[in-house]
Amino acid sequence: AQTVTQSQPEMSVQEAETVTLSCTYDTSESDYYLFWYKQPPSRQMILVIRQEAYKQQNATENRFSVNFQKAAKSFSLKISDSQLGDAAMYFCAYGVEDNTDKLIFGTGTRLQVFP
Amino acid sequence: DTGVSQNPRHKITKRGQNVTFRCDPISEHNRLYWYRQTLGQGPEFLTYFQNEAQLEKSRLLSDRFSAERPKGSFSTLEIQRTEQGDSAMYLCASSLGANRGFNGYTFGSGTRLTVV
Repeated sequence: AQTVTQSQPEMSVQEAETVTLSCTYDTSESDYYLFWYKQPPSRQMILVIRQEAYKQQNATENRFSVNFQKAAKSFSLKISDSQLGDAAMYFCAYGVEDNTDKLIFGTGTRLQVFP
Repeated sequence: DTGVSQNPRHKITKRGQNVTFRCDPISEHNRLYWYRQTLGQGPEFLTYFQNEAQLEKSRLLSDRFSAERPKGSFSTLEIQRTEQGDSAMYLCASSLGANRGFNGYTFGSGTRLTVV
């Protein structure tokens, strides 16, 4: 069965600095998608970045980038120039395009940003 | 379009009571999902609809839970004879299945259920 592991329950970073959140996963599939979602307190889950497993190039969205290591089954998120608004729960998720397209989530990392 | 809408935002109920939650997906999305998120955990898949057909249910969905999506529009999730272990955030998501690559997979803000 596919699993997603986030080993950092909490992380903190100073404003304008860089922080990396870790995620590992287990799967026997060769083609899949990986995601980082942001969940601010009492607000909806928002997609931060998406990576297609068959693409070797790491995805980038403005200040957010990933380090995708397919052989190691690792998918870390780097947030550059951290802002106060980045404070939230971050969830790593895995999905396979099939009849359902359901997502499997990790347990999350709470990111605190200090001024 | 205002995105995925869930009502109510919060629900407090006594153990043993029945509760019903509603999800209004993005209008053109044919796929609808329910997830449950307990404290300190990530969301876990509960069930999935394509249009009005419920095509998959997780083993987490006991027989006290029932979900419907009449006419392929909004969906309801009902929990009968609630238990304290049912306390969680219930998240709804929708997507356009034909839009491959998980594009447009959108979550609502959730309904937080507290069973006392």
